[in-house]
Amino acid sequence: RKEVEQDPGPFNVPEGATVAFNCTYSNSASQSFFWYRQDCRKEPKLLMSVYSSGNEDGRFTAQLNRASQYISLLIRDSKLSDSATYLCVVNGGSSNTGKLIFGQGTTLQVKP
Amino acid sequence: DVKVTQSSRYLVKRTGEKVFLECVQDMDHENMFWYRQDPGLGLRLIYFSYDVKMKEKGDIPEGYSVSREKKERFSLILESASTNQTSMYLCASSSGTVNTGELFFGEGSRLTVL
Repeated sequence: RKEVEQDPGPFNVPEGATVAFNCTYSNSASQSFFWYRQDCRKEPKLLMSVYSSGNEDGRFTAQLNRASQYISLLIRDSKLSDSATYLCVVNGGSSNTGKLIFGQGTTLQVKP
Repeated sequence: DVKVTQSSRYLVKRTGEKVFLECVQDMDHENMFWYRQDPGLGLRLIYFSYDVKMKEKGDIPEGYSVSREKKERFSLILESASTNQTSMYLCASSSGTVNTGELFFGEGSRLTVL
């Protein structure tokens, strides 16, 4: 089983749609969770951290379910500019010398 | 503005050649990382460093080595390039604890080994 698993997609949605991505992780000791965004032929950039109580940043909402070891990203009112690959990232354990583990990414295509 | 600069965007090398990939960051970050990214496999950590002259193996260190002689510079070395090392290589840096800080990535170096 991969340490961080995502549905690769692609997810094809019309502008204005709401879309949700899921991510599962295998290490129950993981403490830090993130979503990164990677545009085509560009480097990944941090989209948002994921907090235990869930958090929102404009049209983006991130949720964490520790019991199920599951993270989600919800995008409301999709824009063409949201088209990208979304990477789920989890730290490898509770140790400060652990490492960040990337999922393979979920590709979103927003169509006019 | 934060900046991670990778010396070469595109390289083509022959099997058996020694390859150097250079990465420089101007943010005074303690931590630096080398990843490779392949379709269907995502980003995989090759090596990382949390201080000058310190290095730690990541998930796939075989066939690679690294050097961190100065805080701002982290080099990835392929001692004898092989075709299965054809990939996109991404350097990143962060501050704070090595597994919680935001990663800042360079634009990547696409290496083709013939």
